[in-house]
Amino acid sequence: DTEVTQTPKHLVMGMTNKKSLKCEQHMGHRAMYWYKQKAKKPPELMFVYSYEKLSINESVPSRFSPECPNSSLLNLHLHALQPEDSALYLCASSQDSGGSQSDTQYFGPGTRLTVL
Amino acid sequence: AQRVTQPEKLLSVFKGAPVELKCNYSYSGSPELFWYVQYSRQRLQLLLRHISRESIKGFTADLNKGETSFHLKKPFAQEEDSAMYYCALSGSARQLTFGSGTQLTVLP
Repeated sequence: DTEVTQTPKHLVMGMTNKKSLKCEQHMGHRAMYWYKQKAKKPPELMFVYSYEKLSINESVPSRFSPECPNSSLLNLHLHALQPEDSALYLCASSQDSGGSQSDTQYFGPGTRLTVL
Repeated sequence: AQRVTQPEKLLSVFKGAPVELKCNYSYSGSPELFWYVQYSRQRLQLLLRHISRESIKGFTADLNKGETSFHLKKPFAQEEDSAMYYCALSGSARQLTFGSGTQLTVLP
């Protein structure tokens, strides 16, 4: 399996709801990422996990809570979101080989989130 | 701080014409540069990276450290090249910073 998968494809939620986005990869990658992408804008990094530990949090509001249960799975728990949080949420993974060069990041198809 | 600038939001060329998508970067260290492409309704995918010096789908890009540029070129554009192209930079923290993107349309 050489793909990053994300579920669900689409999600509509109210501001008081709690929901989760899921990401899975079976390429043996040890780094996983969450990005937020607004329409016609580039992806913006939210979180990075390296060997199942949170290594980067780009000052993301606490209503977004990431979780890495194991090396293949990455979740993003959502609670009390705002309408401006509506966006495409992308997951990515990479080898995290620790070498001098950056590893290629492989992206999932994204979850399109709408907050009402 | 690291920054990537793609000055053209939209670019249209005719099929068979040469195409160049511009990318300039700002980074104090030794950067790694990438081009990612997003075809309509498809996921973001790597097109090429400067260290591999490959030609993918006829596209090439050369890192010019003097001009801090990494422009993407193809001598003869095809209609299937129509897509959103993002230039990205990876610095010492291994974080990808994306440019704002260029929507390329290849006209028949």
